[in-house]
Amino acid sequence: QQPVQSPQAVILREGEDAVINCSSSKALYSVHWYRQKHGEAPVFLMILLKGGEQKGHDKISASFNEKKQQSSLYLTASQLSYSGTYFCGTPGSSNTGKLIFGQGTTLQVKP
Amino acid sequence: GAGVSQSPRYKVAKRGQDVALRCDPISGHVSLFWYQQALGQGPEFLTYFQNEAQLDKSGLPSDRFFAERPEGSVSTLKIQRTQQEDSAVYLCASSPTQDQPQHFGDGTRLSIL
Repeated sequence: QQPVQSPQAVILREGEDAVINCSSSKALYSVHWYRQKHGEAPVFLMILLKGGEQKGHDKISASFNEKKQQSSLYLTASQLSYSGTYFCGTPGSSNTGKLIFGQGTTLQVKP
Repeated sequence: GAGVSQSPRYKVAKRGQDVALRCDPISGHVSLFWYQQALGQGPEFLTYFQNEAQLDKSGLPSDRFFAERPEGSVSTLKIQRTQQEDSAVYLCASSPTQDQPQHFGDGTRLSIL
């Protein structure tokens, strides 16, 4: 099943924080986060592999709660370059590495 | 280093025509994935190759869709007798192995008139 992302869209001012959530109705073993700008390729941000794992680089971090079957992406002190659509992806049922992506969260950071 | 390269970037075809979309993955990447992305939606899985072997084609919408990767590097996605509902962005991704981060190309935007 497709993971569900919330919110669908966020508008921020530079310097503000945002949280994007990704929930699944089935057990999660890993969560992949990507950002896609209009007309461009999705760009890999991070993978979380273990329940409770937290990762981050720069001012973007994420957590993974295996029990709650959800992951959250945290954007701190947002920059204009953070604008884009964020997707979470979870492994499909076959053991091939294919990802099932959420519908996306569009983030717009304004000056 | 070069990333995943897809061509053409844009393709316009008349309904009923056949089209071929090319993906040049990152050199040495064993795993190759094709996804279809409709406007405003997340990418949807189409098919997966491990080297030249097509191990999962469960996402191909119909038998009009065919993919190949004959030498384990370049892959081609072919759509026969195109329909309007085939209009979408087709993304290719590759990864060193199936469990590692996938690197996406910019996609081919296909428009069927």
